[in-house]
Amino acid sequence: GESVGLHLPTLSVQEGDNSIINCAYSNSASDYFIWYKQESGKGPQFIIDIRSNMDKRQGQRVTVLLNKTVKHLSLQIAATQPGDSAVYFCAERATGGQNFVFGPGTRLSVLP
Amino acid sequence: DAMVIQNPRYQVTQFGKPVTLSCSQTLNHNVMYWYQQKSSQAPKLLFHYYDKDFNNEADTPDNFQSRRPNTSFCFLDIRSPGLGDAAMYLCATSRTLVGVTSTDTQYFGPGTRLTVL
Repeated sequence: GESVGLHLPTLSVQEGDNSIINCAYSNSASDYFIWYKQESGKGPQFIIDIRSNMDKRQGQRVTVLLNKTVKHLSLQIAATQPGDSAVYFCAERATGGQNFVFGPGTRLSVLP
Repeated sequence: DAMVIQNPRYQVTQFGKPVTLSCSQTLNHNVMYWYQQKSSQAPKLLFHYYDKDFNNEADTPDNFQSRRPNTSFCFLDIRSPGLGDAAMYLCATSRTLVGVTSTDTQYFGPGTRLTVL
C-alpha cells in the first residue's frame, strides 16, 4: 500500500537559518506531491507542489526537491522566520485518484 | 476574506446523537473535500464531491455521510458519533481535481473541532 512518512517529527532552527524538512514515500507510482503548512488552530495551507516529472520546484523562499530514485521529498525554507513555525505535512497523491495520503507531520519551531 | 467557511468552529455532541457539520465556499470551486484530523495526526480524506458526483474513500466508515445541495455548501453528517470520532473535521475546496493543472490549489477551511461526550 501507499504510505508517506517523515524522518524528523520535530525540527528547531534559528531565525534566519535555512530549514529542511524531509519526507519519504513508498509508492513509486505516485505522480504528485504537495507540501502543506498547518498553524495551530487553522486548516492546512498549500505551500508548494511538484509532479513526478520534475525534480525541483521553487517558490517564494521555499524549494521542493523530489528524488524518485530513493522516493524522497524535501521542503527547504530559506531564511526561516518566526511566522514559519507550524506543522508541515507532505502529501502524496494515489495514482489516478484524489486520495492524498498525508505524512505524520513535522513540527518546525523557529528560535529567536 | 474567508473563502472556505466552517460552522461551527467547535461542536459538542453526545455519544450516538447525530451531528451535522457545515462548510461553505465563496470560490465557486467544483470540488469539495472532507477530511478528518485526529489530535497530532495527519488529515485523512473521508470523501469528496466533484460537482454533484460523490466519491467515497474505501475505508470511510458508513457512519459518515455527506450532502452537497449546491455548489457553495457541503455538509458532513455523522449518524451515530462514537468516542473515536472526536477530531478536527476539515473542509477543503479546489477548482478542479488537484494535480490536473498547475493552477489547481486546495483551500482548507479552519476546521470544526468535534467533541463527543
